[in-house]
Amino acid sequence: KAGVTQTPRYLIKTRGQQVTLSCSPISGHRSVSWYQQTPGQGLQFLFEYFSETQRNKGNFPGRFSGRQFSNSRSEMNVSTLELGDSALYLCASSFLSGGVNEQFFGPGTRLTVL
Amino acid sequence: GENVEQHPSTLSVQEGDSAVIKCTYSDSASNYFPWYKQELGKRPQLIIDIRSNVGEKKDQRIAVTLNKTAKHFSLHITETQPEDSAVYFCAASTRTAGNTPLVFGKGTRLSVIA
Repeated sequence: KAGVTQTPRYLIKTRGQQVTLSCSPISGHRSVSWYQQTPGQGLQFLFEYFSETQRNKGNFPGRFSGRQFSNSRSEMNVSTLELGDSALYLCASSFLSGGVNEQFFGPGTRLTVL
Repeated sequence: GENVEQHPSTLSVQEGDSAVIKCTYSDSASNYFPWYKQELGKRPQLIIDIRSNVGEKKDQRIAVTLNKTAKHFSLHITETQPEDSAVYFCAASTRTAGNTPLVFGKGTRLSVIA
């Protein structure tokens, strides 16, 4: 099976702009979770989508949003970018909802906000 | 909500020695505890997990122990090799009617010195 893919791999934006990241899960997986990874902070959960519905949400401001399509592909959007949004954004897919089974991670999108 | 603390943040060992990474969690309802390994520039990958009905699980040179009373779990790597050098993340989640997302520790950077 093909692994989880994310596009784009790298992005450079300026403050105030918005950005959309895309994640394609492993075929057959209906759950997609998004994480923000920064040095020293580990992996912080943003949200999870399962069968096009948001199942869980982390403690991030409303500028961070997401959606999932009928083919399970997911997008996350960050509006009004701030310098602190610079991070590696990882998505992970799994067969079941929630964090109770193996999460398969994508390679990540490295976002730099200038 | 759940909070996962991970120690140490960095760990250096000589090749062939053992390495131990410890995590504590706050939510007594948590019942799934995976460990992920992230090599430099790569995506996190599951290396071992344990569920609350088991006290210890082994897979070749790695083992995980769980103490539900004390709410802590540990990763043990024996006969360390240079390829074990990576960042290791522990995590916890709850399998209930509404599965909760994984909450990760902040990671331990393990360096195995040849």
